[in-house]
Amino acid sequence: QVQLLQSGPGLMKPAQTLSLTCAISGDSVSSSSAAWNWIRQSPSRGLEWLGRTYYRSKWYYDYTVSLKNRLSINSDTSKNQFSLQLNSVTPEDTAVYYCARDYYDSSRYSLGFDYWGRGTLVTVSS
Amino acid sequence: DIVMTQSPDSLAVSLGERATINCKSSQSVLNSSNNKNYLVWYQQKPGQPPELLIYWASTRGSGVPDRFSGSGSGTDFTLTISSLQAEDVAVYYCQQFYSTPRTFGQGTKVEIK
Repeated sequence: QVQLLQSGPGLMKPAQTLSLTCAISGDSVSSSSAAWNWIRQSPSRGLEWLGRTYYRSKWYYDYTVSLKNRLSINSDTSKNQFSLQLNSVTPEDTAVYYCARDYYDSSRYSLGFDYWGRGTLVTVSS
Repeated sequence: DIVMTQSPDSLAVSLGERATINCKSSQSVLNSSNNKNYLVWYQQKPGQPPELLIYWASTRGSGVPDRFSGSGSGTDFTLTISSLQAEDVAVYYCQQFYSTPRTFGQGTKVEIK
């Protein structure tokens, strides 16, 4: 059974850097059958995909264009986890942040986000 | 970006009756190389993350009751709950996996009438 355990602060001040970590159990961050994603959810923007990392002989990182200048996703094979860093946060970054696994079958076709972390409510306020 | 639009925003259905949710994508999410529609449906209950219900537009996820079914192809998709149960009260989202960014619909809230 795959489990994703999220950790990170819940309260941030504007201009700070948000750092969240998603620890994986039951799978590997370097699995060739998975991609590891960050998604956030807010009343104003709904569910918003932020980016992902995956390993296919080398590491790949994809980001949503609107956050590309502020967002960084990293993978740590020694701890079997991946992380998100969002620079210069503003109140508009207030949201519940989720990590999720995107699973690929034996034919390398994505089946969707089948496992999710429980979510971290991040509030940006002065 | 592919824009996903769901309708209606909310609906109230009597217990045991059918609920139908529509999802339209701004461009086709059909992968012609494998003839699969890269469309997923999720169910989200309050305080919980979304849970995968249907992938490839019509394949039920593991453990998903057979009262949930998905249909459609190209740009138009439907999630049907054949006989609404009390535990089905939730918000339902569609999402496309055809390209990045992986965009979601705005959600449809299902309640009991």
